[in-house]
Amino acid sequence: GENVEQHPSTLSVQEGDSAVIKCTYSDSASNYFPWYKQELGKRPQLIIDIRSNVGEKKDQRIAVTLNKTAKHFSLHITETQPEDSAVYFCAASRVPGSARQLTFGSGTQLTVLP
Amino acid sequence: DTEVTQTPKHLVMGMTNKKSLKCEQHMGHRAMYWYKQKAKKPPELMFVYSYEKLSINESVPSRFSPECPNSSLLNLHLHALQPEDSALYLCASSPGFDRGHGYTFGSGTRLTVV
Repeated sequence: GENVEQHPSTLSVQEGDSAVIKCTYSDSASNYFPWYKQELGKRPQLIIDIRSNVGEKKDQRIAVTLNKTAKHFSLHITETQPEDSAVYFCAASRVPGSARQLTFGSGTQLTVLP
Repeated sequence: DTEVTQTPKHLVMGMTNKKSLKCEQHMGHRAMYWYKQKAKKPPELMFVYSYEKLSINESVPSRFSPECPNSSLLNLHLHALQPEDSALYLCASSPGFDRGHGYTFGSGTRLTVV
């Protein structure tokens, strides 16, 4: 099955700096890579995703890059703000028909220091 | 309606109790999922329903019993749980057959087994 590794497990940055979180996956058939943000006590919320036919996607301060050959993808957050502090999970899946089975990375606790 | 609604939000139950968790969505999604999440860990997939049929059971103990009465509802019946089953239980849904965007998670039920 799929295995997703995520680094680092914790990340502290100063407000205004950039943050980068990296994930690698094992299953070359995976074709969908979402990123979730989870604040303490709340649900995971999709913040950005990328499909395997795209190398990069950007949404305001958030961007995701995908290297299919190396089987890794990264989340980039620019101009970080204190409200960006949360746990971030990457995930990978392929679509074996009608349902999508996500395999999550172990998570990164991001702390943005004011 | 773009939400997945879970009830109850909190549940405390004894090891001999029988209880049910409920999940509802009205987005027309045809795949629904149960995940278990321990503190500071990623969500772990338990069950996948696709078009109201159980398609994946990730070797979950029989004390957890899923049910999908119709395309909008998903239940998780609990019986004879153990204290180590205490966790956040998340329901999610997705469009099915890779139509549209990814998962939408519910807010979860925080379960405590005493």
